[in-house]
Amino acid sequence: GAVVSQHPSWVICKSGTSVKIECRSLDFQATTMFWYRQFPKQSLMLMATSNEGSKATYEQGVEKDKFLINHASLTLSTLTVTSAHPEDSSFYICSARDLGDIQYFGAGTRLSVL
Amino acid sequence: GNSVTQMEGPVTLSEEAFLTINCTYTATGYPSLFWYVQYPGEGLQLLLKATKADDKGSNKGFEATYRKETTSFHLEKGSVQVSDSAVYFCALSPNDYKLSFGAGTTVTVRA
Repeated sequence: GAVVSQHPSWVICKSGTSVKIECRSLDFQATTMFWYRQFPKQSLMLMATSNEGSKATYEQGVEKDKFLINHASLTLSTLTVTSAHPEDSSFYICSARDLGDIQYFGAGTRLSVL
Repeated sequence: GNSVTQMEGPVTLSEEAFLTINCTYTATGYPSLFWYVQYPGEGLQLLLKATKADDKGSNKGFEATYRKETTSFHLEKGSVQVSDSAVYFCALSPNDYKLSFGAGTTVTVRA
């Protein structure tokens, strides 16, 4: 099946720094990618929808200036957590939608902000 | 709004036991319904889906039927294996490709 690679799988950073997470579709082109956030023992919450070549669409309550999303190509989307704080610590997951409208998920990135 | 409620876990079973994970939903219109599975250390994978009422999705011995009258999409497997140990997520999509997930149910199958 299709593969979505997410990198890094785990990152630890100091409060106030920015962290970039990459999401790549390895064997298909994805016009749409999605970014989710998952808290411990809770469900995935959609943060934003990323369309190639256009601005991301953010869900209500998600700060667009805090979570910068770039979808520069059909195989790569990035999420940058700017000026990270401990409350941003979470598990971030991306998915990519193929032409058959199936979403394929990355393995996730665990962000720990000290 | 759209929401999914699924059975809380964790669920622990013996091999060859019958598994049911309940899932009900609230949505406007006629959403597509999904079950995703997450094996340890891996990303979510689509297990099965149904796009309209009375559709039955099936894969790897798992089945779920889209029940519009009860707004449910319960997941079942007749005989589980240790390799079925994972977290299972019920989800819906109201045709805009955005997925709304349930909280997930952790299933552990013991030999």
